[in-house]
Amino acid sequence: EAGVAQSPRYKIIEKRQSVAFWCNPISGHATLYWYQQILGQGPKLLIQFQNNGVVDDSQLPKDRFSAERLKGVDSTLKIQPAKLEDSAVYLCASSLGGQGTDTQYFGPGTRLTVL
Amino acid sequence: AQSVTQPDIHITVSEGASLELRCNYSYGATPYLFWYVQSPGQGLQLLLKYFSGDTLVQGIKGFEAEFKRSQSSFNLRKPSVHWSDAAEYFCAVGVSNTGKLIFGQGTTLQVKP
Repeated sequence: EAGVAQSPRYKIIEKRQSVAFWCNPISGHATLYWYQQILGQGPKLLIQFQNNGVVDDSQLPKDRFSAERLKGVDSTLKIQPAKLEDSAVYLCASSLGGQGTDTQYFGPGTRLTVL
Repeated sequence: AQSVTQPDIHITVSEGASLELRCNYSYGATPYLFWYVQSPGQGLQLLLKYFSGDTLVQGIKGFEAEFKRSQSSFNLRKPSVHWSDAAEYFCAVGVSNTGKLIFGQGTTLQVKP
């Protein structure tokens, strides 16, 4: 079974530029999560989708971050414009359902460096 | 508020020695608890999870964890550490009605030969 795929694996941009990350979850998983992991910290949820609807985006900085999950499968996360403090690893995860007992499977992440 | 605390930022153990990583949580309802491991450049891999029942849970790679409700703890243990166990370990609590994971700040494990 294929795992969660993410691309690109690394991205370096200058502040005020825009960037987009892509995620393909495990086939059949209805729930998709984007986490931000700043160096030295645990991952923090940015947004959660159930199929193509948003369940939780309370910690998404909506003035610069946006995300979509068209057709309830792949998802993209965009930052525009990027700030220095956005340097982090962006992790995508998926699970069958959206309950606390569901195991989340994580992709390898995209490491973003903002100069 | 829901939170997870991992008191030890960095731990060094000798290969073959026993290991215990501490995790304390704050959660109003029955917690769903997880331990994940992250190797450099890799995503998070699930080691084990606790939902209910037997408070001692077994996971992959010889790890186990014990849920202690009275201490709000879910410590991870391994009787004999291997050099390949060097990684970062995260404890997390799952929010029951959404599945959102709240992570601790992680513990970096270094293994001495």
